[in-house]
Amino acid sequence: NAGVTQTPKFRVLKTGQSMTLLCAQDMNHEYMYWYRQDPGMGLRLIHYSVGEGTTAKGEVPDGYNVSRLKKQNFLLGLESAAPSQTSVYFCASSLDRGYSNQPQHFGDGTRLSIL
Amino acid sequence: TQLLEQSPQFLSIQEGENLTVYCNSSSVFSSLQWYRQEPGEGPVLLVTVVTGGEVKKLKRLTFQFGDARKDSSLHITAAQPGDTGLYLCAPGGGYQKVTFGTGTKLQVIP
Repeated sequence: NAGVTQTPKFRVLKTGQSMTLLCAQDMNHEYMYWYRQDPGMGLRLIHYSVGEGTTAKGEVPDGYNVSRLKKQNFLLGLESAAPSQTSVYFCASSLDRGYSNQPQHFGDGTRLSIL
Repeated sequence: TQLLEQSPQFLSIQEGENLTVYCNSSSVFSSLQWYRQEPGEGPVLLVTVVTGGEVKKLKRLTFQFGDARKDSSLHITAAQPGDTGLYLCAPGGGYQKVTFGTGTKLQVIP
């Protein structure tokens, strides 16, 4: 039972470098989300997707891009990393959110440090 | 965007004590969800409350949804070290763009 898998688990980048975080789910969920979690600030939504080929902005989208080319994968990209993007990134998926109480299923996070 | 405020932000108690944490908003929700996040892991759903005034119990955890469906509380009886974690609330269904509360960080000391 893999659920939601995030790759990589840890990464250290230098300012200005780029990278892509991968999220994969094997539950055939329609909805997928990327959050960042910083001390004292809870989970903040970066981008989300309500289906394959769709993406939308969350609360804090600046500096990030996403793609959902396949239903099971949701990629988060940092084109030019900045120290302010040092955080723990969580991916989540859910069967449906629009009209039901489906829970979000989370991965274990990616710990990203930008020097 | 729905704003959820949680209180207290931090709580450190001795094993065996009781505690209550709160999730408040000025918005009306069709339902609210509570999650617990343990260190190094992602949040996991504990419960969804749907009906105004509803009370749900999960072993020593009691969840209540306010009559006006704007707030919710979580009461833990006889806390144990295994209850340690970050407790988060979030709107239930009806929203694509989900905003979590800031959370209550609970530490239960043996």
